[in-house]
Amino acid sequence: GNSVTQMEGPVTLSEEAFLTINCTYTATGYPSLFWYVQYPGEGLQLLLKATKADDKGSNKGFEATYRKETTSFHLEKGSVQVSDSAVYFCALKRQETSGSRLTFGEGTQLTVNP
Amino acid sequence: GAVVSQHPSRVICKSGTSVKIECRSLDFQATTMFWYRQFPKQSLMLMATSNEGSKATYEQGVEKDKFLINHASLTLSTLTVTSAHPEDSSFYICSASKSTYEQYFGPGTRLTVT
Repeated sequence: GNSVTQMEGPVTLSEEAFLTINCTYTATGYPSLFWYVQYPGEGLQLLLKATKADDKGSNKGFEATYRKETTSFHLEKGSVQVSDSAVYFCALKRQETSGSRLTFGEGTQLTVNP
Repeated sequence: GAVVSQHPSRVICKSGTSVKIECRSLDFQATTMFWYRQFPKQSLMLMATSNEGSKATYEQGVEKDKFLINHASLTLSTLTVTSAHPEDSSFYICSASKSTYEQYFGPGTRLTVT
């Protein structure tokens, strides 16, 4: 079956530090990959996505590259801000249809200190 | 565009009572809606998938008689927790999907059963 594994948190960084949150997946076929962010007390927001191998998703300074050879989709940001403190979820979706489900990783709590 | 709302944002109810949570797609027609449950510091667990006008498809282990899902229109789905107990206390999140493959998440509903 499909699964997503994220690095365990929590992750605590100082402002302007470099961020990497690892994500690997197991899936048959060619899934689409996503990173979602959840701020305290809120629902999830799509941060970025990639739909095929070697695609790079980017948004708000965050980037992730779809690596089929290593089945990975690691999230990176060159310089984090306090406002980036949130929980980050890696997810995959097997089919390019509206009815197919998302499979989420466990989530990684990020805290950025000033 | 693609805004999903949930109502209420927080609800406290007494054990044995039922509570209804609404999920609305505000600016698009949602062919599919999803209901998730999130425990503290954990990932999202898919409870059920619903398509407008048809019965919801529940995930294994989710009691369909306890968690009643109705998808009466292309913009509204409701989740009713029947005979709620303290163990049903959780954060419930819905998402909606239109013709594209992306899911748009609501802000979540915090349910506390006393």
